[in-house]
Amino acid sequence: QSALTQSPSVSGAPGQRVTISCTGSSSNIGAGYDVHWYQQLPGTAPKLLIYPNNNRPSGVPDRFSASKSGTSASLAITGLQAEDEADYYCHSYDNILSGSVFGGGTKLTVL
Amino acid sequence: QLQLQESGPRLVKPSETLSLTCTVSGGSISSSGYYWGWIRQPPGKGLEWIANIYYSGITYFNPSLKSRVTISVDTSKNQFSLKLSSVTAADTAVYYCARQGVTMFGVVSLCDYWGQGTLVTVSS
Repeated sequence: QSALTQSPSVSGAPGQRVTISCTGSSSNIGAGYDVHWYQQLPGTAPKLLIYPNNNRPSGVPDRFSASKSGTSASLAITGLQAEDEADYYCHSYDNILSGSVFGGGTKLTVL
Repeated sequence: QLQLQESGPRLVKPSETLSLTCTVSGGSISSSGYYWGWIRQPPGKGLEWIANIYYSGITYFNPSLKSRVTISVDTSKNQFSLKLSSVTAADTAVYYCARQGVTMFGVVSLCDYWGQGTLVTVSS
């Protein structure tokens, strides 16, 4: 199983707000390492969505925001749109693995 | 705009070695502060980090794969490569190459550019 735990699925109606959680441990998120979020549309490569301090690459709308507390992190999406339907992954560093760890992914369905 | 492109055989026989190359264009693989990594995704499953390398040759490996993985860099060709030995059906996955940044604490993490990925199937 993945070192970071995500709920397998979440859904919401257009215009609503949803949150996706990512739970880690004291060797990754809890150790203070940055958490990054990626969006993966069907059949495509993951795309960087959010990186530390709520920075977003050019073209990513500010409807996407992230937060972190203790050993967990979360991604919030407001004003849900049909085009947001995708898989979302969290990513951090683990000092036991001495490398990257990813969450198992959360599938977002827009109702 | 930085672009990464994976290339290599799409079908590998069990017990043989999987070999992939990532060609970087639109930027230099020798850029300071960036590592170059391999990440894979089995069909219908999540992402798994495999290894990464700095242009100087510094490498980091996922401990679960380390004994079977070789990663190398060719700065003259702006390429880096992955070899995974003794493959089984469990190694069937989409393999991505990515640029990884060094974040706070000086650890290699953030993947800001990704290749499109290549599906490698292990089957006889």
